[in-house]
Amino acid sequence: NAGVTQTPKFQVLKTGQSMTLQCAQDMNHEYMSWYRQDPGMGLRLIHYSVGAGITDQGEVPNGYNVSRSTTEDFPLRLLSAAPSQTSVYFCASTPGVAYEQYFGPGTRLTVT
Amino acid sequence: AQTVTQSQPEMSVQEAETVTLSCTYDTSENNYYLFWYKQPPSRQMILVIRQEAYKQQNATENRFSVNFQKAAKSFSLKISDSQLGDTAMYFCAFMTGTSGSRLTFGEGTQLTVNP
Repeated sequence: NAGVTQTPKFQVLKTGQSMTLQCAQDMNHEYMSWYRQDPGMGLRLIHYSVGAGITDQGEVPNGYNVSRSTTEDFPLRLLSAAPSQTSVYFCASTPGVAYEQYFGPGTRLTVT
Repeated sequence: AQTVTQSQPEMSVQEAETVTLSCTYDTSENNYYLFWYKQPPSRQMILVIRQEAYKQQNATENRFSVNFQKAAKSFSLKISDSQLGDTAMYFCAFMTGTSGSRLTFGEGTQLTVNP
């Protein structure tokens, strides 16, 4: 199993550009989430999904869109990048509530 | 809303010694789960240990153990016989039984193990 994969590993965007961070898992997990990690603030939840076709907002959803058309994939879209979105982004999946969350390797995004 | 607080931004310990990282949380729910995750310089998030709130017995995983004080809403991590490979950022995290697997993280504690 590859586990949770994320692409790209690094990305530099200009303010106003859009892009999609890819996330895929091959463990048939129903639950998937996106977090961002900023210095001194831990990880904060952006969006999450409890199954294909079902998504909901987390703590910091503004400026991001998600969709979940398949169990395996959960892409995160930045609609119009802003410097405040400079961060490290983690995708995670889990088979259910209370179980371990499996994290991808992260994407370091810089918006200039 | 649930909150998780780690009051020690940085800690250091000598190799082979024992260190305890603190975590407190706030919730009005009765059914919840607590986790400690480790993030080494590679950036990968790795589960260290988990605790179900309904279990009175403290969880242990080899050199890692927790002191879970439910009434005080405290969940500290003890690392025994510290090793150089334990150098990492440690995050305390919390999830309720109704949260749809959403984790709430603390700010993290950077642990350095010195030779």
